[in-house]
Amino acid sequence: EAGVVQSPRYKIIEKKQPVAFWCNPISGHNTLYWYLQNLGQGPELLIRYENEEAVDDSQLPKDRFSAERLKGVDSTLKIQPAELGDSAVYLCASSLEGANTEAFFGQGTRLTVV
Amino acid sequence: QKEVEQDPGPLSVPEGAIVSLNCTYSNSAFQYFMWYRQYSRKGPELLMYTYSSGNKEDGRFTAQVDKSSKYISLFIRDSQPSDSATYLCAGSGYSSASKIIFGSGTRLSIRP
Repeated sequence: EAGVVQSPRYKIIEKKQPVAFWCNPISGHNTLYWYLQNLGQGPELLIRYENEEAVDDSQLPKDRFSAERLKGVDSTLKIQPAELGDSAVYLCASSLEGANTEAFFGQGTRLTVV
Repeated sequence: QKEVEQDPGPLSVPEGAIVSLNCTYSNSAFQYFMWYRQYSRKGPELLMYTYSSGNKEDGRFTAQVDKSSKYISLFIRDSQPSDSATYLCAGSGYSSASKIIFGSGTRLSIRP
């Protein structure tokens, strides 16, 4: 069974440019999460979806970050415009509904803003 | 104060040793406790989770939770070089909607 797939794996952009990350969760997983992981830190939740509904986006910086999960499967996280401080690893995870203790993570997208 | 605290390490032990990794937490609402392993440039991988206080064993790994002292431990028996990774502990409330709060991770190196 395929795991959580993220693309791209690496992205380098100049500040003020837009960037987008894509995530395909495990088949059948209704819950999808986007996390931010800074170097030497644990993941921090940005947004959680139950199907196509964003049920927790309290940590998402809405002035520059946006996310969508059309049709309740794939998801896209966008940053516009990117800032130097956005350099980090963006992780996508998925789980069965109501099983947040058994979330499966993708390999992440490492973003470098220069 | 972070809700989940871990010693960042690095912790270096010889192959075959018993490894003890520890976390403390401050949120009394935590009911579920998780351990993730993260290899370099990979996403976290769930090792095991426990509910409330007590022990849980899975192969060479044992997770232990003491809610009275807010202390979480992971023991690795017969450690292998392939166990070299960063280990993240995490806590979550009872509700499935509860946010998972991660520690910053402990880097572990097993010397052959």
